[in-house]
Amino acid sequence: DGGITQSPKYLFRKEGQNVTLSCEQNLNHDAMYWYRQDPGQGLRLIYYSQIVNDFQKGDIAEGYSVSREKKESFPLTVTSAQKNPTAFYLCASNSGLSVTEAFFGQGTRLTVV
Amino acid sequence: GQQVMQIPQYQHVQEGEDFTTYCNSSTTLSNIQWYKQRPGGHPVFLIQLVKSGEVKKQKRLTFQFGEAKKNSSLHITATQTTDVGTYFCAGLRSGGSNYKLTFGKGTLLTVNP
Repeated sequence: DGGITQSPKYLFRKEGQNVTLSCEQNLNHDAMYWYRQDPGQGLRLIYYSQIVNDFQKGDIAEGYSVSREKKESFPLTVTSAQKNPTAFYLCASNSGLSVTEAFFGQGTRLTVV
Repeated sequence: GQQVMQIPQYQHVQEGEDFTTYCNSSTTLSNIQWYKQRPGGHPVFLIQLVKSGEVKKQKRLTFQFGEAKKNSSLHITATQTTDVGTYFCAGLRSGGSNYKLTFGKGTLLTVNP
């Protein structure tokens, strides 16, 4: 089945630790995105990538880092510099050739204690 | 930067009543997309509007794109309990990156049976 997969679904980390969230897609999409969702805040863009080995900061990039070494993969690292990391993280992708719908992963709920 | 405002933030209706959510952008959009997120789920694409003044229907759902391409609405006729969820609009800025979707904060719809 084609789709976009995030893992794990739930993640717990101690404060001060970096943590990496996985996002993989087999849709052959050029563009990939990371969003953060907090109650009442909608979806806020963290980083996005239009092509392999290139990525752009979104609206709330501070405290996060990404890489795009392969077309299929766009991992997000939540660093200890992120002051309020507990949230629901959503990864998405779209083809980028023209304006097309974004496909979302199931999300990762990160809790930092 | 581009902002997409969505109202209302919450809407509670009796089953059978109509529902409308509105989306307004601070800049002209090249297109607008609508997504639905069920409780505990991830956003799922509903529709994309591209043309000025465009109206599209999906069964009980009617989507409109304003003449100036700065606002949009989603109207649900005779709501059902299956309509429960958060509805998001997402816009692409005209002349901007083809990849940077900006989401509104969403409207959470609850339906009383």
